Amino acid sequence: NAGVMQNPRHLVRRRGQEARLRCSPMKGHSHVYWYRQLPEEGLKFMVYLQKENIIDESGMPKERFSAEFPKEGPSILRIQQVVRGDSAAYFCASSRKSTSPTEYNEQFFGPGTRLTVL
Amino acid sequence: TQLLEQSPQFLSIQEGENLTVYCNSSSVFSSLQWYRQEPGEGPVLLVTVVTGGEVKKLKRLTFQFGDARKDSSLHITAAQPGDTGLYLCAGIFTSGTYKYIFGTGTRLKVLA
Repeated sequence: NAGVMQNPRHLVRRRGQEARLRCSPMKGHSHVYWYRQLPEEGLKFMVYLQKENIIDESGMPKERFSAEFPKEGPSILRIQQVVRGDSAAYFCASSRKSTSPTEYNEQFFGPGTRLTVL
Repeated sequence: TQLLEQSPQFLSIQEGENLTVYCNSSSVFSSLQWYRQEPGEGPVLLVTVVTGGEVKKLKRLTFQFGDARKDSSLHITAAQPGDTGLYLCAGIFTSGTYKYIFGTGTRLKVLA
């Protein structure tokens, strides 16, 4: 059973270009979370998605950032017109659908995409 | 704004020593998790604590959840070089949707 897959593992972009980061959740998982990690820091929540639905995007910057999780295919985190401050490691995590309001489900993390903006 | 503070931020110790890492917040969490992250990899879950006052042991690691479910500690006995890594706590809120708030991280280096 393959784990969470992210690609590319490393991405270099020049200022003003677009970055597309992909995340394929574990088999059977319908929830995806995106996080950003700056060097020497913890993870910052960005967005929580289910298939075809954004559940919580309270951690997403208002401009240039968007995320989707289509019915078919991977979840995509898209950053338009990248700036140097966008350089970071972006992690995706997936979990199963919860069976009750009080049950949490373990998140499994991918290896991350390291974005460098020149 | 929910915030999880971890201390210490950095820790360098000799093999065989004991250490404790703390995770503190002013918020009450439904549950709390501890992760370890190695360079170039994603975080890996170590444990989840759910009940206030709960203590869980994982070999040389002991995890405790505060009675009020606002804080937690991770104690490592007889640290080994293989314990080196970034330790992250994450508080979970389950009101409405699931939300994971990660702590600031503790970077541990165990010297042989």
